This record gives sequence, C-alpha cells and structure tokens, in this order.
Amino acid sequence: QSVLTQPPSASGTPGQRITMSCFGSSSNIGGNHVNWYQHLPGTAPKLLIHSDNQRPSGVPDRFSGSKSGTSTSLAISGLQPEDEADYYCASWDDSLNGVVFGGGTKLTVL
Amino acid sequence: QLQLQESGPRLVRPSETLSLTCAVSGGSISSGIYFWGWIRQPPGKGLEWVGSIYHLGSSYYNPSLKSRVAISMDMSKNLFSLKMNSVTAADTAVYYCARSISTGTIAWFDPWGPGTVVTVSS
Repeated sequence: QSVLTQPPSASGTPGQRITMSCFGSSSNIGGNHVNWYQHLPGTAPKLLIHSDNQRPSGVPDRFSGSKSGTSTSLAISGLQPEDEADYYCASWDDSLNGVVFGGGTKLTVL
Repeated sequence: QLQLQESGPRLVRPSETLSLTCAVSGGSISSGIYFWGWIRQPPGKGLEWVGSIYHLGSSYYNPSLKSRVAISMDMSKNLFSLKMNSVTAADTAVYYCARSISTGTIAWFDPWGPGTVVTVSS
C-alpha cells in the first residue's frame, strides 16, 4: 500500500489530452513539492516534472503538472504512442521523514 | 554529463547481506548540495525509495527498511554503496542509484543509473 495514491491505469488515443491524478496528505503533497517520473520497461525512470510544475530541460511542453491542496495531476496533451509507460508521483513526507512514491499509473495509448 | 552505474552481485542468498555500489562519473559526489540515493522496484510492483546520503554525513532511510540498511560514501573512489542485511525474497528487485538535490529535504531524483537486478534465492 503506497503512501501516495494513483489510479493503476489510464488510457487515451493519439492526439488526445489525458490527465492522471495522485492523492496524498498534508504531510506530503500538502506541504511539499511533488515530482513526476516516466518509466519505460527495462529503462531507468526519467524525471518528467519537478517542484509541482517545472519541466526539466528536454521534456516536451506536452507534459505539465499542477497541484491543489493534497492532490496533484499530470497532464499529457497531444498523446503519442511513445508516451505509453508507467508514471509515478513522489514527494517528501514530513511524518515519515523520507521520500514516498505513488503506486504508479500505467498509461496505454490505444 | 553526470552518469551513474550500479554494480554488485546479482544473486544473494536469504539471510545474507546485499551489497551494491554506484560509481559516479562526470561530477564529484563530495561537492554541491546533492543527496545520493537508492530506489528499488520489486517485480510487478512500483518504485520504493530505500535511502539517501548527503556528502556532509547526514542520511535518511525508508522507515520500513531502516533497521537493515546502511548507505556509505567513498569520496576517494567517487562512489557510494548500499548494504542491506538479513535479506529475504521480498528484497528481490531492480535497484537504481540516483542523485537528488538537497532543498532542506530530498528533492527530485535526476539522473538515475540504468539499474541492476538483484535476486534473493538459495
């Protein structure tokens, strides 16, 4: 059972805009920044969004992050087949004094 | 460009100690405001943070693993290491090393090593 809650799956068609959510509490998302990672099987996870809504250099602006209270969302616009991957949210947790991850959302591009 | 590479035994026997190292190239682990850490992914499951260490000595560990885990740094070799004792099959996972920025807490992980598969089995 992960500290951060993500829906296990999401899907969309090429060109579509999708959003995926991540729910936490005041000790993590509510009081600390959230980061998002993209993970393709057999590869290292890739930082997609940091500090709630900041895109690292090289990440397309199709990816965007937002946060409200104790929940956060990742939006992907202009969905592409190569976006099919697992997506994880993560944050610092003040109560656990450590990093917590969501269980991950598997995105399928139909 | 900073690169990280995990190495260590791929097979560990139950109750023994798992030992992994992460070699860092393209930058020094003894400079800057960075934590150096380990994250793992058991088969069919999500990512789990194991722990992180700061070059000035402070470290943080996943509370669920803290009693069995130790992370250390070797500044002379520019690498850091993970030791996990009393392993069981539940510790079978892909283990990744990664750098994170210190913002008072441990911030985002970037970059990551390619990962190494560790299987706990007799």
